[in-house]
Amino acid sequence: QKEVEQNSGPLSVPEGAIASLNCTYSDRVSQSFFWYRQYSGKSPELIMSIYSNGDKEDGRFTAQLNKASQYVSLLIRDSQPSDSATYLCAGGLTGGGNKLTFGTGTQLKVEL
Amino acid sequence: DADVTQTPRNRITKTGKRIMLECSQTKGHDRMYWYRQDPGLGLRLIYYSFDVKDINKGEISDGYSVSRQAQAKFSLSLESAIPNQTALYFCATSDLLESTDTQYFGPGTRLTVL
Repeated sequence: QKEVEQNSGPLSVPEGAIASLNCTYSDRVSQSFFWYRQYSGKSPELIMSIYSNGDKEDGRFTAQLNKASQYVSLLIRDSQPSDSATYLCAGGLTGGGNKLTFGTGTQLKVEL
Repeated sequence: DADVTQTPRNRITKTGKRIMLECSQTKGHDRMYWYRQDPGLGLRLIYYSFDVKDINKGEISDGYSVSRQAQAKFSLSLESAIPNQTALYFCATSDLLESTDTQYFGPGTRLTVL
């Protein structure tokens, strides 16, 4: 099992809709979770971090963490064409001391 | 000015050549990382360093070496480049004192080995 798994997509949503991105993780990942946005050819940019079970909201973005089920999700409300990018889920490795493991990313396309 | 810079931004080289990619940061972070990114494979850790005297191999260190010249500088070398090292390379930093594992990425270097 990969440490962090994501559906590669593409996930297509119409402008203004809610985009839901999901990620599952293995027992080797337990400390902290991150969502990065990456435009084609550019570097990953931190969108959200979450460390505790439940929801964390920041503007149009909501991260959800469920440690019992080992999944983390990102909701993007009122999706805009500028949200079209690849979203990387990352988790801190248990005992890994600041090391992260990344999923392969989900491509999101927001259509007009 | 960017907090994490990488040079060069693009490089085309030939098989067998020695290549050095450089990373500098002004964030004052003590921890630095080198990743490569390939389509469909995501980001994979090559080497990481938690301070100037600490160098650690990541999951794909074969064919690479690193040097931590100062807290702010971390270089990645390909001693004898081969075509399957063609990839996008990212440097990242994190702060021990922040204790959140958050990593901040440089702009990347696109390396092509012919």
